[in-house]
Amino acid sequence: DVKVTQSSRYLVKRTGEKVFLECVQDMDHENMFWYRQDPGLGLRLIYFSYDVKMKEKGDIPEGYSVSREKKERFSLILESASTNQTSMYLCASSLYGWELFFGEGSRLTVL
Amino acid sequence: SQELEQSPQSLIVQEGKNLTINCTSSKTLYGLYWYKQKYGEGLIFLMMLQKGGEEKSHEKITAKLDEKKQQSSLHITASQPSHAGIYLCGADDNNDMRFGAGTRLTVKP
Repeated sequence: DVKVTQSSRYLVKRTGEKVFLECVQDMDHENMFWYRQDPGLGLRLIYFSYDVKMKEKGDIPEGYSVSREKKERFSLILESASTNQTSMYLCASSLYGWELFFGEGSRLTVL
Repeated sequence: SQELEQSPQSLIVQEGKNLTINCTSSKTLYGLYWYKQKYGEGLIFLMMLQKGGEEKSHEKITAKLDEKKQQSSLHITASQPSHAGIYLCGADDNNDMRFGAGTRLTVKP
């Protein structure tokens, strides 16, 4: 079974702090994604990556950056966290197409 | 961009009852995906539909894509508490996956 592991299930940070969310997949998938999920808004794509060191902006990249130095790892970085970034963050990977395998999510609260 | 509307937003049913969730697109769907999310967790892939009129089943869950490929329905037969969660439809939209806002299903024992 594909396993997508997100480093932290719950985080509480203060405004202005730098936040790292790590995601690791163990099935050699090419594609990796970061979404955020908010009530009433569904899932919105932040960034995605089709290959190592490659990244593409999704719908809402502002305030975020990503890093993919190794195929299995895709990190989401909040350079200076703000309260409107309080959300559930979901990482996903896929081999082909859009059958996505999701991690369990990281719930971030920014105070 | 493609908008996906799900209805209803939430649903409460008695165990054993049947239910249907709908997903409607503003554009032709070239790939429609159904996912289930348990509260506070990640999404689990259920089914993918690509052809107009296609229907797929897995256990007591059946998903259909209409002939015009703009609407999909997810039908659960004889619901159980294990079916509770949030059901999301997603669509392939020009190298991106768009999701509906989700339908929250509660099954009362």
